[in-house]
Amino acid sequence: ETGVTQTPRHLVMGMTNKKSLKCEQHLGHNAMYWYKQSAKKPLELMFVYSLEERVENNSVPSRFSPECPNSSHLFLHLHTLQPEDSALYLCASSREPGYHTEAFFGQGTRLTVV
Amino acid sequence: GQQVMQIPQYQHVQEGEDFTTYCNSSTTLSNIQWYKQRPGGHPVFLIQLVKSGEVKKQKRLTFQFGEAKKNSSLHITATQTTDVGTYFCATGGNTPLVFGKGTRLSVIA
Repeated sequence: ETGVTQTPRHLVMGMTNKKSLKCEQHLGHNAMYWYKQSAKKPLELMFVYSLEERVENNSVPSRFSPECPNSSHLFLHLHTLQPEDSALYLCASSREPGYHTEAFFGQGTRLTVV
Repeated sequence: GQQVMQIPQYQHVQEGEDFTTYCNSSTTLSNIQWYKQRPGGHPVFLIQLVKSGEVKKQKRLTFQFGEAKKNSSLHITATQTTDVGTYFCATGGNTPLVFGKGTRLSVIA
């Protein structure tokens, strides 16, 4: 039902591994976002891309590295993560960089760092 | 930046009872959006309110934006088991969406 597709849905990785999360939106939107959702915290905005340019980085540790090769695709590269990074990572898109528009979320990647 | 506080954090109701969640801010908000996240799912947009005192309805759901644009509420009449999930308010405007912590609704059949 969603126009935003995330892969993989589940990921278990060791602290020394390198992995990437992928997000693809089929809605023709110009803005894409990465959010982190932990059990006891609200949805935390990590990165915002507008027309393939990063416009916001919410003090995210450098072990998270985003990439936006075009307006339809967004990646989150992960390396040397910590167990506390285990969470649900949600990708979202919106029609325009202005923030009055609704956000469409992907189904998320459930990440477990062991 | 803008922050929104949601109460209650959890709510358990008998099927058929009403439910209300509140979203409050200390600053004037440019808009309020409401999302629902089913267990194991992702947030899904429900509605956006932008005008002072605005009221919108979707079937059994009633959304209100306060006159001062500092608070909002979501009211569900006669809850059903399909209403189970976490309801988030969010605000944006000139900044990316900031979400409240959500209210988790459980409905006991």
